[in-house]
Amino acid sequence: AQKVTQAQTEISVVEKEDVTLDCVYETRDTTYYLFWYKQPPSGELVFLIRRNSFDEQNEISGRYSWNFQKSTSSFNFTITASQVVDSAVYFCALEGNFGNEKLTFGTGTRLTIIP
Amino acid sequence: EAQVTQNPRYLITVTGKKLTVTCSQNMNHEYMSWYRQDPGLGLRQIYYSMNVEVTDKGDVPEGYKVSRKEKRNFPLILESPSPNQTSLYFCASSPRQPGISEAFFGQGTRLTVV
Repeated sequence: AQKVTQAQTEISVVEKEDVTLDCVYETRDTTYYLFWYKQPPSGELVFLIRRNSFDEQNEISGRYSWNFQKSTSSFNFTITASQVVDSAVYFCALEGNFGNEKLTFGTGTRLTIIP
Repeated sequence: EAQVTQNPRYLITVTGKKLTVTCSQNMNHEYMSWYRQDPGLGLRQIYYSMNVEVTDKGDVPEGYKVSRKEKRNFPLILESPSPNQTSLYFCASSPRQPGISEAFFGQGTRLTVV
C-alpha cells in the first residue's frame, strides 16, 4: 500500500522568510512518481512539479526548490523569500507505475505568509 | 485548451435527493477518477476508470456510483446523498502513461447535503 505523510498541518512564517514543507512517502513500487500541488484559497489544484523515482536531482524553479532523497523516502519543498501569494494548502502526492495510476495524497500543509 | 470541466461548481441539496456531478475532459485521456477532499484527510479516491466501460472502486466508494459510457465523460452519481457526503469533489484525468504527464484536475464541486 502507498502512503504519503505530511506531518506539518499548519505553518506560519513572516513574509520573505524561507520555509520548507516536508513530505515522506511509502511505496513498494520500484518505479513511482512524486508530485506537489498547490491549492490557493480559490480552491483549485495547481500542479507544481512531477519527479520520477529514478531521477534524484534536486530542482529549482524561481523561488521554489525540491529536494528528493530516495534514501529517506522524502520529497521536501522549499519556498525561498516567501510572499503573501504563497499562502495556500500544499499537497504532496505519489503515483505508482503502470496499472497503479491512483494518486495517493498527503493530508496537506496549510501555509500562511504573514505580511 | 486542455481542460477538465466539472459541473456544478457549488451545490446544496437535501438528504436523499439523487444528484449527478458531471465531468468532461477534452484530452482523450484514458484514465479518469474522482476524489473527495475533507479537512485533515487530504484527497481520497472514490472511483476510477481505466477506459470506456471499465470502472473500479477507489478508497472510499460507499454511497457513490459512476459510469464511463464515453471516453470524455465520467459522471459521479449520488443516488441518496447523506450529510457525511458533504465535501469538495475533484474529477481528474490523465493518460495511462505514469510519469509522462501530471493529472489534470477539474475546478472542484463543493457539495453540501443538509
